[in-house]
Amino acid sequence: SQKIEQNSEALNIQEGKTATLTCNYTNYSPAYLQWYRQDPGRGPVFLLLIRENEKEKRKERLKVTFDTTLKQSLFHITASQPADSATYLCALDTGNNRKLIWGLGTSLAVNP
Amino acid sequence: KAGVTQTPRYLIKTRGQQVTLSCSPISGHRSVSWYQQTPGQGLQFLFEYFSETQRNKGNFPGRFSGRQFSNSRSEMNVSTLELGDSALYLCASSPGSPGNTIYFGEGSWLTVV
Repeated sequence: SQKIEQNSEALNIQEGKTATLTCNYTNYSPAYLQWYRQDPGRGPVFLLLIRENEKEKRKERLKVTFDTTLKQSLFHITASQPADSATYLCALDTGNNRKLIWGLGTSLAVNP
Repeated sequence: KAGVTQTPRYLIKTRGQQVTLSCSPISGHRSVSWYQQTPGQGLQFLFEYFSETQRNKGNFPGRFSGRQFSNSRSEMNVSTLELGDSALYLCASSPGSPGNTIYFGEGSWLTVV
């Protein structure tokens, strides 16, 4: 069956360190993969989109990699700050329609 | 420009009642999607409307319905509410093409008692 998995356990890291979140999928051929941030009680906010033919994408302290052979995307936050504490969601877009497939998200806590 | 606006923000309904939620997308966006979010299930896709037509549908019962108006504003309706319908309902808008970023509203918190 089609599945998308993110680290189920919360990630706790020290301020200043790099946070690495994982998104694995099976039985999909996504054309795009997107990462969103969600704070408690609020709607997700778009962070980065990476296309299937791109290996890496960066935006300020954020970096996303996309390995279609491993069927995996990694999301990195460098020089993490307590304000980065949130839940991070990955979503697959097969490109055929607008029905994004969402992971359950990984909770990140950055400790001062 | 203004973001996605959802109303109401919070509401409490009784089992068996029906509810209508409203969403105003970002100006110029023709696609509106609706999601249900609960702690254990994550974001579950309900349906997507594009230019007033339902373009995609998730695996929800027929009690969940929606529509889109000519100005792209959208409503979703849930009839015969059940306790399990308690959730955060999120609306998202986008221009509507593959690879477009989608923008979420703050959501409507529905509690069914």
